[in-house]
Amino acid sequence: GENVEQHPSTLSVQEGDSAVIKCTYSDSASNYFPWYKQELGKRPQLIIDIRSNVGEKKDQRIAVTLNKTAKHFSLHITETQPEDSAVYFCAATDGDDKIIFGKGTRLHILP
Amino acid sequence: GAGVSQTPSNKVTEKGKYVELRCDPISGHTALYWYRQSLGQGPEFLIYFQGTGAADDSGLPNDRFFAVRPEGSVSTLKIQRTERGDSAVYLCASSLGTATTYEQYFGPGTRLTVT
Repeated sequence: GENVEQHPSTLSVQEGDSAVIKCTYSDSASNYFPWYKQELGKRPQLIIDIRSNVGEKKDQRIAVTLNKTAKHFSLHITETQPEDSAVYFCAATDGDDKIIFGKGTRLHILP
Repeated sequence: GAGVSQTPSNKVTEKGKYVELRCDPISGHTALYWYRQSLGQGPEFLIYFQGTGAADDSGLPNDRFFAVRPEGSVSTLKIQRTERGDSAVYLCASSLGTATTYEQYFGPGTRLTVT
């Protein structure tokens, strides 16, 4: 089955700098890669997603890239702000409509 | 409209007891997913319903776990003979169709503590 690895587990960046979170997946049949943000004590919320027929997608300060050959995908947050502090999860489908999550990255935005 | 709701928000039970966790999806959402999230981990897939039927229950850890969705709306996750290792937040999510095509909306979760 699908296995999603995510790193780093913790990331601290200065406010205004960029943050990058990287994930790898194992199932070559995977075709959908969502990213979720989870604030402390809250539910996960979808922030951006990408499908396998696209290499990059951007939404304001957030962008996601996908390299299907290498089975890598990454989240990029530019001009980070205090409200970006949260846990971010990457995820991938397993070919059977299940979504498999990574273990998460705790992002701290330093003042 | 109302989002996904889950009850209870917190449940404390003794080892060996039976518990039921309820999920009310967004009206009209045919797909419903259950996940388990342990501290410091990502949501772990348990089971997926399309309508009334379980389309994939491969994530249920053992036969103590069972879920139903008899009318294609509300779902109940049932755990028999609870163990301390079952302690986690149980999340429910719903979507208009499969989560690979439609956005999943998560509920607030039920925090289960087995003492």
